[in-house]
Amino acid sequence: EVKLQQSGDELVRPGASVKMSCKASGYTFTDYAMHWVKQSPGQGLEWIGTIIPLIDTTSYNQKFKGKATLTADKSSNTAYMELSRLTSEDSAVYYCARVYTTDYYYYFDYWGQGVMVTVSS
Amino acid sequence: DIQMTQTPSSMPASLGERVTISCRASQGISNYLNWYQQKPDGTIKPLIYYTSNLQSGVPSRFSGSGSGTDYSLTISSLEPEDFAMYYCQQYDSSPNTFGAGTKLELK
Repeated sequence: EVKLQQSGDELVRPGASVKMSCKASGYTFTDYAMHWVKQSPGQGLEWIGTIIPLIDTTSYNQKFKGKATLTADKSSNTAYMELSRLTSEDSAVYYCARVYTTDYYYYFDYWGQGVMVTVSS
Repeated sequence: DIQMTQTPSSMPASLGERVTISCRASQGISNYLNWYQQKPDGTIKPLIYYTSNLQSGVPSRFSGSGSGTDYSLTISSLEPEDFAMYYCQQYDSSPNTFGAGTKLELK
């Protein structure tokens, strides 16, 4: 069974950084790219970026460049996202999601449970 | 970025009713369109990929159609577990973008 287990909710101070994890199980971690998606309170979904664990290649939504840093640890089948210089605009739920892709198909077939980040002093 | 306009934003409906949710892209997206369901506990799962392909395990009452800029998700007969949020997503160009969502509510 494929599972993406994310780390716990975070309460962080403005200006600080936070690093969250997404532990994959039930499949070969290096066979699939991992994506991250932001859901602001009462808002829709925004794609942040992706990492290909096999070759440690990343790609970011221009909006999140400089804000998010994606990494992966192949030895523990875990993807990470660090958010820096946090402001109230970063308060949101963050999801990791595995992508299934072929010539025509590209969709997030498994999602983590989400990490709620609250930025507050 | 391609803008995805989903309508309606909320929809009251009854059990057994047939409902359709629409998604319009700001430019043609060549059928590169997915649909997702989000439950109140935050759980997200795919329903339809590449406009009309049913994800494994998803009931056949869900279907998708469309072309060009206009796409739709139809639920043929609402079940209690279908009351949730629904999002469309385009992947024709990067960044992939989502609609703002449709909340399906019990009437």
